Amino acid sequence: AQKVTQAQTEISVVEKEDVTLDCVYETRDTTYYLFWYKQPPSGELVFLIRRNSFDEQNEISGRYSWNFQKSTSSFNFTITASQVVDSAVYFCALSEELNTGNQFYFGTGTSLTVIP
Amino acid sequence: NAGVTQTPKFRVLKTGQSMTLLCAQDMNHEYMYWYRQDPGMGLRLIHYSVGEGTTAKGEVPDGYNVSRLKKQNFLLGLESAAPSQTSVYFCASSALQSGSNQPQHFGDGTRLSIL
Repeated sequence: AQKVTQAQTEISVVEKEDVTLDCVYETRDTTYYLFWYKQPPSGELVFLIRRNSFDEQNEISGRYSWNFQKSTSSFNFTITASQVVDSAVYFCALSEELNTGNQFYFGTGTSLTVIP
Repeated sequence: NAGVTQTPKFRVLKTGQSMTLLCAQDMNHEYMYWYRQDPGMGLRLIHYSVGEGTTAKGEVPDGYNVSRLKKQNFLLGLESAAPSQTSVYFCASSALQSGSNQPQHFGDGTRLSIL
């Protein structure tokens, strides 16, 4: 079974629109960590955020915000007033406290295209 | 600050050839990883290491071997390359911090084509 599901394969929005990328995870651990990464067209993977399972506060960083809801096992990512530079593939990942070596389970990614 | 460096960046091999991908990190991280990225499949873990001299299998280890003789280096080997191993390979590292799983930091990737 997939531990991290990103059901949206591709999304296209027009510049300045808001967009939400969904991430649903599955774990039996009580302590776990969730991450978002960005992969722009140049190919590198850029770390965006880490959230632990005990901190359900939403987080905002500029135009980016994250909504963590344990009740629905979701960790969604919203970009407000999207820009062309936001075009990238975004990955959600899960790391369980008890796994060996801080292994990550990645979703299959959501490809976001922002149209000027 | 280099972070995680992968060499080479691109390589074309013929079926049956062997090669080694090198990953080096300068952050003194304990953990290192090798992933492959294929269209529609996200990142899949090939092998990982929790410290110098130790390695373990990930989700898709078949056809690959690894070694971690030095803490800063993690090598990925293909003994007999197959077309199914055509992929983009990423190395990553992360710090060991008890009770707090840290982000993984990635190299820029190696694009490998097997003909």
